[in-house]
Amino acid sequence: GAGVSQSPRYKVAKRGQDVALRCDPISGHVSLFWYQQALGQGPEFLTYFQNEAQLDKSGLPSDRFFAERPEGSVSTLKIQRTQQEDSAVYLCASSLTGQINGYTFGSGTRLTVV
Amino acid sequence: GIQVEQSPPDLILQEGANSTLRCNFSDSVNNLQWFHQNPWGQLINLFYIPSGTKQNGRLSATTVATERYSLLYISSSQTTDSGVYFCAGPSGNTPLVFGKGTRLSVIA
Repeated sequence: GAGVSQSPRYKVAKRGQDVALRCDPISGHVSLFWYQQALGQGPEFLTYFQNEAQLDKSGLPSDRFFAERPEGSVSTLKIQRTQQEDSAVYLCASSLTGQINGYTFGSGTRLTVV
Repeated sequence: GIQVEQSPPDLILQEGANSTLRCNFSDSVNNLQWFHQNPWGQLINLFYIPSGTKQNGRLSATTVATERYSLLYISSSQTTDSGVYFCAGPSGNTPLVFGKGTRLSVIA
């Protein structure tokens, strides 16, 4: 596609519900990154894939967070048993080769846990 | 990991005014970048500027790596410049560590 596509654009979840957020990177982009952006803050790194391999998941805040990219293209970020502190915008970025000056970000998914 | 501090946190400008945004980082950063996040949440890369000065239209950026800071200059600001400006750089294995941003509002 022309850009990084994320869906849904907005998600409201009841506390305790599981959610799945989708990222469709630019076709052919090898690297994919997830970031979490709380209100009024800068984005914070969650996890990084190169093709289907999850190379770094050090930023995932708890074991309720899980990300996958099984075929090396579309990625899903899953949050189990959502809590209010999970409310944030979740941003996905992709890059052709992993070069950090080649990021393209999606518009994000705004998750609100009530 | 590195700490990235941005100033000012908020800025209101009259259309046509100039401004300077600053980014300080706590340790050496090889690959500093500036981003603009528009009111719809889209993050756009403005500059990849590990050192020196670059210009793109009304925007320019300067990084002094030895003194661990970078500046973003906006000249003749327009309402479309409104949004949040972030600087970011890699730290260890983390691809990008972002500052908290400068929220810019340009009023007509």
